[in-house]
Amino acid sequence: AQSVTQLDSHVSVSEGTPVLLRCNYSSSYSPSLFWYVQHPNKGLQLLLKYTSAATLVKGINGFEAEFKKSETSFHLTKPSAHMSDAAEYFCVVVYKLTFGKGTLLTVNP
Amino acid sequence: EAQVTQNPRYLITVTGKKLTVTCSQNMNHEYMSWYRQDPGLGLRQIYYSMNVEVTDKGDVPEGYKVSRKEKRNFPLILESPSPNQTSLYFCASSPTWTSGVQAGTQYFGPGTRLLVL
Repeated sequence: AQSVTQLDSHVSVSEGTPVLLRCNYSSSYSPSLFWYVQHPNKGLQLLLKYTSAATLVKGINGFEAEFKKSETSFHLTKPSAHMSDAAEYFCVVVYKLTFGKGTLLTVNP
Repeated sequence: EAQVTQNPRYLITVTGKKLTVTCSQNMNHEYMSWYRQDPGLGLRQIYYSMNVEVTDKGDVPEGYKVSRKEKRNFPLILESPSPNQTSLYFCASSPTWTSGVQAGTQYFGPGTRLLVL
């Protein structure tokens, strides 16, 4: 069985401060892990993916995520938030595609 | 342009009136799926298809049907819609099911917002 838990349903940061969106997973298999972003009234867009080639994965728009097997985590980070980062973010674990419930990121000016 | 298209984008209907939401992809992808998105519940998979004529239930299949007669098309059918099917629906495709990385690299359509009265 596999599952994914996004630990925060809502994260609020100020522009220019770091972003941390947390994701924990459980999987019987060696997982493939993804982060997707959904801007208001838009479809979902792939942000980054873990392919087992490197534990630190860089994505688009300055985001990155680190795979930590010992902690079963795949947290998403960005050093400095921008207003355009305000969106909902989904962590996904594959073997069977399982989406987290999402974390809404708001960025305050 | 590589894309997944859905039609209609918005639909208001009444209980019991059959409807179909179309989904088409032009990337020759093997794997296609339907999701519904509801506040606080994230995305839940309704049905998926690993290839032509191969479909299977996702997490919330009740009240829905699908078919995959051609590789590019994967319509979602609501035979007798009910108000609890009011939701935002997304179609997605990915290159193949056999690789976890490729399966998870999904291309999403723009969404169909459905209201069932």
